Amino acid sequence: DQQVKQNSPSLSVQEGRISILNCDYTNSMFDYFLWYKKYPAEGPTFLISISSIKDKNEDGRFTVFLNKSAKHLSLHIVPSQPGDSAVYFCAASGNTDKLIFGTGTRLQVFP
Amino acid sequence: SQTIHQWPATLVQPVGSPLSLECTVEGTSNPNLYWYRQAAGRGLQLLFYSVGIGQISSEVPQNLSASRPQDRQFILSSKKLLLSDSGFYLCAWSVGKTQYFGPGTRLLVL
Repeated sequence: DQQVKQNSPSLSVQEGRISILNCDYTNSMFDYFLWYKKYPAEGPTFLISISSIKDKNEDGRFTVFLNKSAKHLSLHIVPSQPGDSAVYFCAASGNTDKLIFGTGTRLQVFP
Repeated sequence: SQTIHQWPATLVQPVGSPLSLECTVEGTSNPNLYWYRQAAGRGLQLLFYSVGIGQISSEVPQNLSASRPQDRQFILSSKKLLLSDSGFYLCAWSVGKTQYFGPGTRLLVL
């Protein structure tokens, strides 16, 4: 039973446009959500997080939106740059510090 | 600032051989420590986590074990590797809910 789902395995976006990565979860006890970026053969890098008491958190070009009623979060990257090409993982946690990860979405930003 | 180290970066081992992967964290005290595995084309699977010296929780029954002999040292071991142990192994630390990952070790069991 996958509690965190990223249903799009890949996404291709033109440089300068908006990238929107989506993530759905099933466990209503999750109260903290994170996005990580991963390049091949490297460890994931933390990007941005959001607590369930908020519905939006912004950091530079990255914005995370949380829709608790739909159990859905999304990561917006504006404007997209070629260096953003990577695999993006969403993750969630509840009343422990353990994270449950999605399977990732590969983002490709082309010129 | 905090840093996390893993070694080796790459390892090729025969089936049945032992394994020892090491992870150390600098710049923080009493972190939670985690071992993950990423199989090819898959997400991150939590293998072990530790909230303190000598305290290990196993998430998935398997051929691997973990130990935490010092506050900022986390070791992943196996007595006899299986082909299915191949993958990318990641160590992470946290103080709070955000986890920070090391560079990873790519293990190939032949």
